[in-house]
Amino acid sequence: KQEVTQIPAALSVPEGENLVLNCSFTDSAIYNLQWFRQDPGKGLTSLLLIQSSQREQTSGRLNASLDKSSGRSTLYIAASQPGDSATYLCAVRYGGATNKLIFGTGTLLAVQP
Amino acid sequence: DAGVIQSPRHEVTEMGQEVTLRCKPISGHDYLFWYRQTMMRGLELLIYFNNNVPIDDSGMPEDRFSAKMPNASFSTLKIQPSEPRDSAVYFCASSAVTEAFFGQGTRLTVV
Repeated sequence: KQEVTQIPAALSVPEGENLVLNCSFTDSAIYNLQWFRQDPGKGLTSLLLIQSSQREQTSGRLNASLDKSSGRSTLYIAASQPGDSATYLCAVRYGGATNKLIFGTGTLLAVQP
Repeated sequence: DAGVIQSPRHEVTEMGQEVTLRCKPISGHDYLFWYRQTMMRGLELLIYFNNNVPIDDSGMPEDRFSAKMPNASFSTLKIQPSEPRDSAVYFCASSAVTEAFFGQGTRLTVV
């Protein structure tokens, strides 16, 4: 069964800290992996997309890495700010005949000023 | 492009009534996904389409749920009859073969 898990479920850090969010997936035959941000009561905003052939992607203070062989991805946030507070979700896209997009359980991040 | 557009944004209905949720995907995208989000279960994939054809509906919880995509620019998710446990936020997303984009969701409350 294709499952995606995120650890930790919740995280609280003081402003300015660097932090890492983790995403694990059981089936390594992925097509790509996408990180999203969701603010309370809002939709999902795409942050970064990593293709299966790539090892990492960067956008501003965000860096996402991908290790297919171990079934893991990490989202690194540098110099966290209160505005980064949100739920972060990873989603795995499987290719081939299915092309499903399966979501992890999410990490609720609170950055304290 | 205006992005993925869902309507209505909020829906309150009485148990037993029919509910129809609507989605307009981004032009040119050939995949469309319907998700349900609850606190208990997170984001669940209900059904997805490729080129207007349903590919996998294994996530549809019951026969009360049905989805259609009559053309490349429109999809509906229908619940008939609705029940209180259907209360959730329903998201639609579209993509080409790479990045997926989400609508703002429809918050459904069944009383």
